[in-house]
Amino acid sequence: RKEVEQDPGPFNVPEGATVAFNCTYSNSASQSFFWYRQDCRKEPKLLMSVYSSGNEDGRFTAQLNRASQYISLLIRDSKLSDSATYLCVVTPSPGGGADGLTFGKGTHLIIQP
Amino acid sequence: EADIYQTPRYLVIGTGKKITLECSQTMGHDKMYWYQQDPGMELHLIHYSYGVNSTEKGDLSSESTVSRIRTEHFPLTLESARPSHTSQYLCASSVTGTSEAFFGQGTRLTVV
Repeated sequence: RKEVEQDPGPFNVPEGATVAFNCTYSNSASQSFFWYRQDCRKEPKLLMSVYSSGNEDGRFTAQLNRASQYISLLIRDSKLSDSATYLCVVTPSPGGGADGLTFGKGTHLIIQP
Repeated sequence: EADIYQTPRYLVIGTGKKITLECSQTMGHDKMYWYQQDPGMELHLIHYSYGVNSTEKGDLSSESTVSRIRTEHFPLTLESARPSHTSQYLCASSVTGTSEAFFGQGTRLTVV
């Protein structure tokens, strides 16, 4: 089983819709969780950290479910500019470490007009 | 914007040439990383460093080498480039004790 698994998609979603996708992780000792966004042919950029209590940033909401070992990302009122690949990142311990910074393969999201 | 820079952005080079991809960050981060990513594919960690004089191999076997003589500089070298090395190479850094990684804009390498 891969350490971090994501549905690669693509998710084709009409503009204005709400879309959500999950990322499962295998290491129950994982401590830190992030969502990164990567545009085509660009570098990944941090979208948001995922806290135990969940967190929201504008139209984006991230949740952590430790019991089932997954994190989720919800995008409300989707915009064309939300089209990108969303990468799930998990680290096994506080502070992480290069060998602990595990990227998922990414979920490809396409917002259609 | 993150203060991490990669040069060159694009490089087309012939087989057998030696190349060095540069990566510099001005954030004082101890940890630095090199990832390799083919178009539409996942990131693969090929090298990382915990600080000056520290270098480690990542998950993906690579024929490249790295050095970390200064905190801010983490160059990657290919002694003899081959077409199989054609890919995008992304450098990243993070502060020791936190996990958020900041990425450079990448070097898109084509070996012909």
